[in-house]
Amino acid sequence: DAGVTQSPTHLIKTRGQQVTLRCSPKSGHDTVSWYQQALGQGPQFIFQYYEEEERQRGNFPDRFSGHQFPNYSSELNVNALLLGDSALYLCASSLGGRRSDEQFFGPGTRLTVL
Amino acid sequence: ELKVEQNPLFLSMQEGKNYTIYCNYSTTSDRLYWYRQDPGKSLESLFVLLSNGAVKQEGRLMASLDTKARLSTLHITAAVHDLSATYFCAVLASGTYKYIFGTGTRLKVLA
Repeated sequence: DAGVTQSPTHLIKTRGQQVTLRCSPKSGHDTVSWYQQALGQGPQFIFQYYEEEERQRGNFPDRFSGHQFPNYSSELNVNALLLGDSALYLCASSLGGRRSDEQFFGPGTRLTVL
Repeated sequence: ELKVEQNPLFLSMQEGKNYTIYCNYSTTSDRLYWYRQDPGKSLESLFVLLSNGAVKQEGRLMASLDTKARLSTLHITAAVHDLSATYFCAVLASGTYKYIFGTGTRLKVLA
């Protein structure tokens, strides 16, 4: 049973560039949430996708956008990168039918902005 | 806005000792989660607490939820070195799909 997978593992970009991160949910899951975790901090909720739509959004600027595909995989796009966007980006999947269902996290993508 | 606070932020304890990590949240929620994170790794789900008075145990860890007090505890019994990690609680804000994480408790168990 494949768990949550993310790609790439590491990424280095410069300020002003754009980046796309990818996530494949755990088998059988239809909901994907994205989080940003700065060093030494707890994960911050970016948004959640369900049925190919953004169902909930956290306090992140419009530079952060996403997409969910019919196979439930998802992308996170960040435009006009800032130094402060350097972080571990985590994807989590769950079953969307119930709010309370457990989330399973992927290994993360470490983004460094120079 | 919902805020989640954990204490202590850092905890150094000897093997064999007991201790409790506290998670307080500021507004109504009836869904609370505990995660473990090892350095450089992702988050591992430990417990899902879905109702007031819920108590769950796995090995040396036991979690409980008091929704009236807006408090969850993670109790460690007879700590062992392998429990060294950062522990996060997370709350699902009522009426939303937004998860709010606590600040984390960095636990170090000394041999």
